[in-house]
Amino acid sequence: DTEVTQTPKHLVMGMTNKKSLKCEQHMGHRAMYWYKQKAKKPPELMFVYSYEKLSINESVPSRFSPECPNSSLLNLHLHALQPEDSALYLCASSHLPGRVAGELFFGEGSRLTVL
Amino acid sequence: KNEVEQSPQNLTAQEGEFITINCSYSVGISALHWLQQHPGGGIVSLFMLSSGKKKHGRLIATINIQEKHSSLHITASHPRDSAVYICALSNYGGSQGNLIFGKGTKLSVKP
Repeated sequence: DTEVTQTPKHLVMGMTNKKSLKCEQHMGHRAMYWYKQKAKKPPELMFVYSYEKLSINESVPSRFSPECPNSSLLNLHLHALQPEDSALYLCASSHLPGRVAGELFFGEGSRLTVL
Repeated sequence: KNEVEQSPQNLTAQEGEFITINCSYSVGISALHWLQQHPGGGIVSLFMLSSGKKKHGRLIATINIQEKHSSLHITASHPRDSAVYICALSNYGGSQGNLIFGKGTKLSVKP
């Protein structure tokens, strides 16, 4: 199984809603990532989890709250979002690198629209 | 100057043509990634290279570390190859997962 599965594929939410994006992988990867991608732009790294612990937060607003309940799952909790947060949210995973990068496996993404 | 430059930005080809997409970079890297993204879709990792050449089906990727240059070749192109192809760098000293992304090459293959 070489897949990273993201749900839901599409999400529309109001600015007062609370919702979550989910990501799952069963490749034994111990590093998992959230990226945000706006239209016609490259992905931007948001968060990195290593061994289920948050290791990198790229100055992301607190209305985005990540959670890694176990080595296969990664969630992104959303609350009080703004319309400019509308984007494609991509999850990825990799084996933990030492000083050498590991190959990244990406999911299909969750397309978020904030009204 | 951008750390990673891709060319061309846009490419239109006829089905069956041989395609080359280039990536030049200016920083030290631990690996170079070629990624594929279909419109509105997720990203597929095609190759991760740190030296030499890799082949997978009709796709070939090469890297020249001394010249800081990589190429992605598609042989016998097909309309389903239409996508954005992204070169991304894993940078020595860069944080894990924080790839340096190129702006992508949009490929359209016409039947």
